[in-house]
Amino acid sequence: AQKITQTQPGMFVQEKEAVTLDCTYDTSDPSYGLFWYKQPSSGEMIFLIYQGSYDQQNATEGRYSLNFQKARKSANLVISASQLGDSAMYFCAMRDPRDYGGATNKLIFGTGTLLAVQP
Amino acid sequence: DAGVTQSPTHLIKTRGQQVTLRCSPKSGHDTVSWYQQALGQGPQFIFQYYEEEERQRGNFPDRFSGHQFPNYSSELNVNALLLGDSALYLCASRAGQSSYNSPLHFGNGTRLTVT
Repeated sequence: AQKITQTQPGMFVQEKEAVTLDCTYDTSDPSYGLFWYKQPSSGEMIFLIYQGSYDQQNATEGRYSLNFQKARKSANLVISASQLGDSAMYFCAMRDPRDYGGATNKLIFGTGTLLAVQP
Repeated sequence: DAGVTQSPTHLIKTRGQQVTLRCSPKSGHDTVSWYQQALGQGPQFIFQYYEEEERQRGNFPDRFSGHQFPNYSSELNVNALLLGDSALYLCASRAGQSSYNSPLHFGNGTRLTVT
């Protein structure tokens, strides 16, 4: 069964420093997609970055980058130059195309990491 | 460009009652999914609607049902509420014909409390 593991319940980082949030996944399918979402206290899940299992390069989106190590089944999120507004819950999630093909909206989420950025 | 909108934002119900939550997808999106997020947990997939039909379902009992309307909006119904149904209910949308790497767009959720 597909599974996402986030082993860091909480993390602290100083403003302007970089931070890495860990994510490992388990799937037997060679084709899958990995997503990172940010959830502020308002509750909305905000999409940050995507990595496909066949992508040759690590994904980057502005201050967000993904350290994708396929052999280790890890997809760690790196946030550079942390800002106070980055304080939130961060979730790693996986989409498995075996479920209803590429049209599936089913994501498997981890338990999240609460990031606190300190001034 | 309106994003995913959900109503109500908060709801308090008593055990055994029934509840209906509503969702309007992001403009241009035609597939809607519902997730349940218990306190301190990640969201859990309930089901997905496309072309007014339930297309995929997670591990939730039949007390959870839904509907999608011709304008793509959706409702989540929960019957015979249990204390364990207390959670944040998130609606997410995506264009049905979008590419595999296109993300889900989520609403702010409905916080349901069952007493």
